[in-house]
Amino acid sequence: GENVEQHPSTLSVQEGDSAVIKCTYSDSASNYFPWYKQELGKRPQLIIDIRSNVGEKKDQRIAVTLNKTAKHFSLHITETQPEDSAVYFCAASATQAGTALIFGKGTTLSVSS
Amino acid sequence: DAGVTQSPTHLIKTRGQQVTLRCSPKSGHDTVSWYQQALGQGPQFIFQYYEEEERQRGNFPDRFSGHQFPNYSSELNVNALLLGDSALYLCASSLGPRGYEQYFGPGTRLTVT
Repeated sequence: GENVEQHPSTLSVQEGDSAVIKCTYSDSASNYFPWYKQELGKRPQLIIDIRSNVGEKKDQRIAVTLNKTAKHFSLHITETQPEDSAVYFCAASATQAGTALIFGKGTTLSVSS
Repeated sequence: DAGVTQSPTHLIKTRGQQVTLRCSPKSGHDTVSWYQQALGQGPQFIFQYYEEEERQRGNFPDRFSGHQFPNYSSELNVNALLLGDSALYLCASSLGPRGYEQYFGPGTRLTVT
């Protein structure tokens, strides 16, 4: 089955810096890659996603890139703010078989002002 | 627009007991997925329901079972509780059998003593 690896597990940046989180997946049939943000004690919140027919997607300060050949995808956050501090999870899904999301273990992002 | 809701918020059970958790999907959604999130880990897929049938199942024992009702709401049942079942149980809803975007509820925190 699918396996998703996520790095780094923790990331500390200064306010205004950029942050990059990387994930790799194992199943070449995976075709949907969402990113979730989870603040302490709250539900995971979908912040951006990408499908396998797209190489990059942007939404204001966040962007996701996908390299299908290498089976990796990344989340980029620019001009980080203290409110970006949270745990970020990547996930992969092979929607032909169903839409189960397989998650990475998460990255704890801390943005200090 | 009502988001995904779950009940109860917290639950404490004793080893060997049985528990039922409930989920109402986001308005307009008809597919419900359940995930288990252990402390400090990413959510793990348990199963998914669509048209009142289990469509996909993760690597969880038969002690975990579910149901979907005609109004698309869903229940997760866990029998013979183990200490290791202590976790946050998340429900996510999506639209249709190939719905990409999954939106999570706030979760039910289950503690088994």
